[in-house]
Amino acid sequence: GQQVMQIPQYQHVQEGEDFTTYCNSSTTLSNIQWYKQRPGGHPVFLIQLVKSGEVKKQKRLTFQFGEAKKNSSLHITATQTTDVGTYFCARPPFFGNEKLTFGTGTRLTIIP
Amino acid sequence: DVKVTQSSRYLVKRTGEKVFLECVQDMDHENMFWYRQDPGLGLRLIYFSYDVKMKEKGDIPEGYSVSREKKERFSLILESASTNQTSMYLCASSLPGAGNEQYFGPGTRLTVT
Repeated sequence: GQQVMQIPQYQHVQEGEDFTTYCNSSTTLSNIQWYKQRPGGHPVFLIQLVKSGEVKKQKRLTFQFGEAKKNSSLHITATQTTDVGTYFCARPPFFGNEKLTFGTGTRLTIIP
Repeated sequence: DVKVTQSSRYLVKRTGEKVFLECVQDMDHENMFWYRQDPGLGLRLIYFSYDVKMKEKGDIPEGYSVSREKKERFSLILESASTNQTSMYLCASSLPGAGNEQYFGPGTRLTVT
């Protein structure tokens, strides 16, 4: 299946700095999901975005879905050590079956 | 709370061995998935199943097969393990419907020597 491009692959930030990861698709998406995987852990669902231009917040995390529904971003304000991990976006199939296609992920490390 | 369990956290096998990875979910989910995760490559889908005895190939099915005899259990089989199958294997389940959130198990780190 067509991969979702996710950038950057790695991001190192000082604790307290902001962090953003981006997902881009060449085709319109019906929705997009975000997952977080802590070091040594498994991916955990964070949120799903469905509507064009949608913005959702979870405490210091802000998720956006582009107007054209081809891109999405996750922004973390004032990072904390608990934010360490890899963040994945995932898109549903363009047609047919039930599977998700995951982006390659952005690995966030925090410098205390 | 959804719970997805995998039979082993760590497994070491020899080249050529037949390997079984088991996954069980307790939420009566129709869909179950097997992924492998490698550094820099993200999560890649091996196989998925949307019902008992039903299966579909994912993006990288070569060298693997699956079995789903009961709704709660989805097994991944490496017929003849090779060193390039050393990886983290993650199982997931979800309700039916394209794009429903997936619940992941803790993963099995398989090393083939």
